[in-house]
Formats: sequence, structure tokens, C-alpha cells
Amino acid sequence: DAGVTQSPTHLIKTRGQQVTLRCSPISGHKSVSWYQQVLGQGPQFIFQYYEKEERGRGNFPDRFSARQFPNYSSELNVNALLLGDSALYLCASSRTSGGRTDTQYFGPGTRLTVL
Amino acid sequence: AQSVTQLGSHVSVSEGALVLLRCNYSSSVPPYLFWYVQYPNQGLQLLLKYTTGATLVKGINGFEAEFKKSETSFHLTKPSAHMSDAAEYFCAVAGGGYQKVTFGTGTKLQVIP
Repeated sequence: DAGVTQSPTHLIKTRGQQVTLRCSPISGHKSVSWYQQVLGQGPQFIFQYYEKEERGRGNFPDRFSARQFPNYSSELNVNALLLGDSALYLCASSRTSGGRTDTQYFGPGTRLTVL
Repeated sequence: AQSVTQLGSHVSVSEGALVLLRCNYSSSVPPYLFWYVQYPNQGLQLLLKYTTGATLVKGINGFEAEFKKSETSFHLTKPSAHMSDAAEYFCAVAGGGYQKVTFGTGTKLQVIP
């Protein structure tokens, strides 16, 4: 079975631009979470979507938004890019929103560089 | 509120030696605890997790971790290091679900031949 896929792999943008990152979860998974990993740090939680509804939001500005589609794929949008938005953006999928027996699987990430 | 502290941003061990990566957590609710491994330019792979029940958790690749509530610790161990274990390891805590999972800052493990 295919794992979590993310596109694009790498992306270079300039300050002020907007970017859209895409994630396809594992087949049968209904939850998608997004994380930002700045170089040298651990991932930071941005959003979780389950059954197309937002279930959690981390401490990120309103420039960050996301949505989940009927096929459970997801997009993360970032507006008005800042240099500090340069990071590896990770997507993770799971069957549920986080039950005891559930497991979250991560994709390979999208490396965003803002110049 | 929850947080994770990983002691030692870099750990070096000889091949065949014991691996011990330290993680302390704080959580206002009974925690779910995780260890992930990340190889260069890749995503995270789950090594093991603790939710409830047995406090000694066995994971993949020979790793295990013990949940010690009294010490608020969840240290990761492996009896004998392999060269392929060289990677970055992240401890994480969640308050019952994946919402707002909190990761530590990571520990880079170097294995010396």
C-alpha cells in the first residue's frame, strides 16, 4: 500500500508570495495533520483535520490555513510568506483523530525555502 | 499544557554499545508518549508508543522505552547499537489524541565504528 504522499518535494518562494502544499493520506485514513519543522528543531503542530472538519490548531498565525477534501486529501496554504516560514512541512495521516490504538504515519515532507 | 525535554542534542556511542536517549515530559492529563526516528531528508517513522497498560514498550528495530510516571520519563534504549541507527530521534507527548502533539527538540545519534 502507498504511504502518505506529499507534493511538491521542494519549493522556493519569495517573501510575500503564497504557497499551497498538498498531502494524500494512506487509503482508509480519515485524519490528516500538518506540522512545521524548522531546521534543527522538532516538528510543531499546525492543524489536524478529521472527516473534513478542523479538530485542532496550533499556535500559528492566520496566514496559515488548511482544508480537507471529500477524498480526505488535504492542502495547507500559507499567505504572505516570511523568511521564517522556511521549513520542512510534514503531513501525517491516521485512521482516527487519535485513539489509543491508532498510529500516525508521516509523509516525506515538503521543503519550503523563502528567499 | 504539555512539554517534552530531550537531554542531549547529540549522543555518540560505539557500535555494539548500549543506546540511551533521555526524554522527560510534563502533561496535565494522562499522556500518550511516542518516540520517532528521522533519517536525513525524510519524514518521521514511529519507533514505539505508550498509551496505557504495560509500562515497558517494545518497538521496532530492537528499541524499547519505559514509562516511569514517578520520574515523568520515557527514555529510549537499545542494547546494541548498529551503524544503521545513526539518525535523529524525537520524543513526543500528546494529551490523549493527536491534537497538539508536542515534540522535543531531538537528539542526533552518532554510531562510531
